[in-house]
Amino acid sequence: LAKTTQPISMDSYEGQEVNITCSHNNIATNDYITWYQQFPSQGPRFIIQGYKTKVTNEVASLFIPADRKSSTLSLPRVSLSDTAVYYCLVGNTGTASKLTFGTGTRLQVTL
Amino acid sequence: KAGVTQTPRYLIKTRGQQVTLSCSPISGHRSVSWYQQTPGQGLQFLFEYFSETQRNKGNFPGRFSGRQFSNSRSEMNVSTLELGDSALYLCASSFQWGNLDYGYTFGSGTRLTVV
Repeated sequence: LAKTTQPISMDSYEGQEVNITCSHNNIATNDYITWYQQFPSQGPRFIIQGYKTKVTNEVASLFIPADRKSSTLSLPRVSLSDTAVYYCLVGNTGTASKLTFGTGTRLQVTL
Repeated sequence: KAGVTQTPRYLIKTRGQQVTLSCSPISGHRSVSWYQQTPGQGLQFLFEYFSETQRNKGNFPGRFSGRQFSNSRSEMNVSTLELGDSALYLCASSFQWGNLDYGYTFGSGTRLTVV
């Protein structure tokens, strides 16, 4: 399974755009990139998933360069409620059921 | 629609006892996975069930076991509890095994404390 590396923590002010980058140098050709968000004492929540280029939904955008060795989760105009741990995962249909969560990035949003 | 339901939410057990946790997946989801989350080890995959069959297993001792019923509800059992088993146990459901589309939906977990 491809290993991912993310910053341990990030701080932001409310209203700013936050970009969290994940490194996955050993990503396989058929691997997808998925991001989850987790609040304390709750299960992770799916945010966004992509394979290449850019994916956008109502919550976030995911930027994936051509070499796919990294990806960036972009959260526009964060609010206090976005304070959480964000996990980047890499896997394919064959490994999807064995989701490998790294340490994640703890995002702290303040006023 | 109802999400993934895990019961109980909190549990306190004594070392050496056994415990059974329950997970009801989203209606129509047939895959159920279990994870253990601790401050030191993070989120670790335990096992996944689909159509009452274990499809994948993580690297946990045999004290950890599970099963799935015909209605897709799943239970996990931990026997001979150890202090290190104290953790948040999370269940995730998906429409099918290894389904990447829209990811897995997690429950709020069962907080197990072993004393």
